[in-house]
Amino acid sequence: GQQLNQSPQSMFIQEGEDVSMNCTSSSIFNTWLWYKQDPGEGPVLLIALYKAGELTSNGRLTAQFGITRKDSFLNISASIPSDVGIYFCAGRVSGGGADGLTFGKGTHLIIQP
Amino acid sequence: ETGVTQSPTHLIKTRGQQVTLRCSSQSGHNTVSWYQQALGQGPQFIFQYYREEENGRGNFPPRFSGLQFPNYSSELNVNALELDDSALYLCASSLIQGGEQYFGPGTRLTVT
Repeated sequence: GQQLNQSPQSMFIQEGEDVSMNCTSSSIFNTWLWYKQDPGEGPVLLIALYKAGELTSNGRLTAQFGITRKDSFLNISASIPSDVGIYFCAGRVSGGGADGLTFGKGTHLIIQP
Repeated sequence: ETGVTQSPTHLIKTRGQQVTLRCSSQSGHNTVSWYQQALGQGPQFIFQYYREEENGRGNFPPRFSGLQFPNYSSELNVNALELDDSALYLCASSLIQGGEQYFGPGTRLTVT
């Protein structure tokens, strides 16, 4: 099935550093979402974006919905150990019929001591 | 408020067998979606249920089927299991159709 192009695949950073990851698609989406998944758990919703150009923050997390509606990025400022995990972007084409999310392959964030 | 719950946590089946996975949606949520997550991949949309009817389907064969009950809980049934069906199966519920989806912890299925 289709998956979004998410990069980087993995990141090794020092605690306190800022993190940036992005997601691109060949298709237009009406909603972009960012989830975090810890081992043995389901994805947890971090940020939802509903409008092209929208910039939304949730604590140390900031995400933007690209103007073309084909991309989005997520920034994490001043990383801390609990930020470790896999981050997924997801897109949705709302309105009529299936409301399923299309996910990227994930960015694995590893924080080095 | 109880979140999305799934059962069982994990199970092992043999190729060719059938399996039923269960999901209880978050309180008040009337829409349930199912996803398959293979190791190292993002979740893939299987189908969605709203008002006890299938409301949309991803690229999965008919041997993947489901049900939604009046209390909005749901089942995923997979017939004629194949080795490639080994994955984490995630259920997500949303307050309304088109609303944000909140995931359960998943059921880890291993097919041998």
